Amino acid sequence: NFMLTQPHSVSESPGKTVTISCSGSGGNIGANYVQWYQQRPGSVPTPVIFADDLRPSGVPVRFSGSIDRSSNSASLTISGLEPEDEADYYCQSYVNNTMVFGGGTRLTVL
Amino acid sequence: QVRLQESGPGLVKPGDTLSLTCTVSGGISFQYWTWIRQSPGKGLEWIGNIYHTGSTNYNPSLESRVTMSIDKSKKQFSLNLTSVTAADTAVYFCARLGIKTSNALDVWGQGTTVSVSS
Repeated sequence: NFMLTQPHSVSESPGKTVTISCSGSGGNIGANYVQWYQQRPGSVPTPVIFADDLRPSGVPVRFSGSIDRSSNSASLTISGLEPEDEADYYCQSYVNNTMVFGGGTRLTVL
Repeated sequence: QVRLQESGPGLVKPGDTLSLTCTVSGGISFQYWTWIRQSPGKGLEWIGNIYHTGSTNYNPSLESRVTMSIDKSKKQFSLNLTSVTAADTAVYFCARLGIKTSNALDVWGQGTTVSVSS
């Protein structure tokens, strides 16, 4: 079964850069697009990256996504961290017409 | 702008069927729609997708208990989950797979909390 594995938590200081990884197993992460969602406490998830590296309208350029096919992983990078970036982040992809989510990463902005 | 609103009972007894409806304000045709759930303090879990034609794909781990349907005339799509247990207690979200966002979930309902308890 295809799985996406994320670190449980990451933390960094305001103004710094943080990268959240999403490692694929049981399949090729590059075979379908990867999306990233931000879920602030008590709120609904919203997409911050779609199609591996594209930002939806309104998402700051501080958010970027990438795919590393050699390591079968995706990454979400947030630069110039702001307190409002503190949230849970989920990667998501598809395999064989089924949707798969990573377990989520809690980002703490210290 | 498309908006989604989930509705249904907030409390379901063990062994019963959980039934939820998502009402779409805006177009429902030529789109994929989905149900996602989130157990308390846990991550997101995909339940299944439905296309405007009624074609479905379900999470293999839930497939034996899930049925999704769509009523385009009412601009609604629905979820039935049979034989529920406490493990099905969660916030249930309906969402849209965005055409312009390569099937990212670009519109979400606010979510509805369903508790399974006697």
